[in-house]
Amino acid sequence: GAGVSQSPSNKVTEKGKDVELRCDPISGHTALYWYRQSLGQGLEFLIYFQGNSAPDKSGLPSDRFSAERTGGSVSTLTIQRTQQEDSAVYLCASSFSGLSNQPQHFGDGTRLSIL
Amino acid sequence: QKEVEQDPGPLSVPEGAIVSLNCTYSNSAFQYFMWYRQYSRKGPELLMYTYSSGNKEDGRFTAQVDKSSKYISLFIRDSQPSDSATYLCAMSAGSGGSNYKLTFGKGTLLTVNP
Repeated sequence: GAGVSQSPSNKVTEKGKDVELRCDPISGHTALYWYRQSLGQGLEFLIYFQGNSAPDKSGLPSDRFSAERTGGSVSTLTIQRTQQEDSAVYLCASSFSGLSNQPQHFGDGTRLSIL
Repeated sequence: QKEVEQDPGPLSVPEGAIVSLNCTYSNSAFQYFMWYRQYSRKGPELLMYTYSSGNKEDGRFTAQVDKSSKYISLFIRDSQPSDSATYLCAMSAGSGGSNYKLTFGKGTLLTVNP
């Protein structure tokens, strides 16, 4: 079946621009997560959605970052006024539920480069 | 001290070798332990998923968890060039709090030479 789908796969933009990243989770998965993977830092948790609600936004690095999920399905991560330190791979994952005994499955990510 | 420590390598082995990958952790609340494989420019792919201590085998892969030592391992038997990738360990708490949140090691880059 279809896995987690992310778009775009690559994004290059100028410093100061806004970007929007999209994630389409596995059908039927109620939990959705965003992570960021950067050189030297590994994978870092950003935000967790259960349905359309985000009970944990603790990993968002600044108020320039926001995310939403609609219809219990597609999610968008928005970065406003991008900075060079935002350059990273943004990964989305989904799981059947938010319980820890449910494995998370990842998409291939969006590779974001800020010039 | 980071919550999860993983030797970044790189690790280079000949085809057919047994590979041992390891992580240590400090948070005793971790109950679920995972190994992901990540090919270049791809997302992490779940390889092994275990709960608490013990061993789990799946084909050429064996995952071991020793909670008393806070140490987990992944063994790859008869390694193949297609196993060349970055291997990430990940962990989560069993219950309560943010038990959905995965904490990752930084990954070990493995190359299997033909």
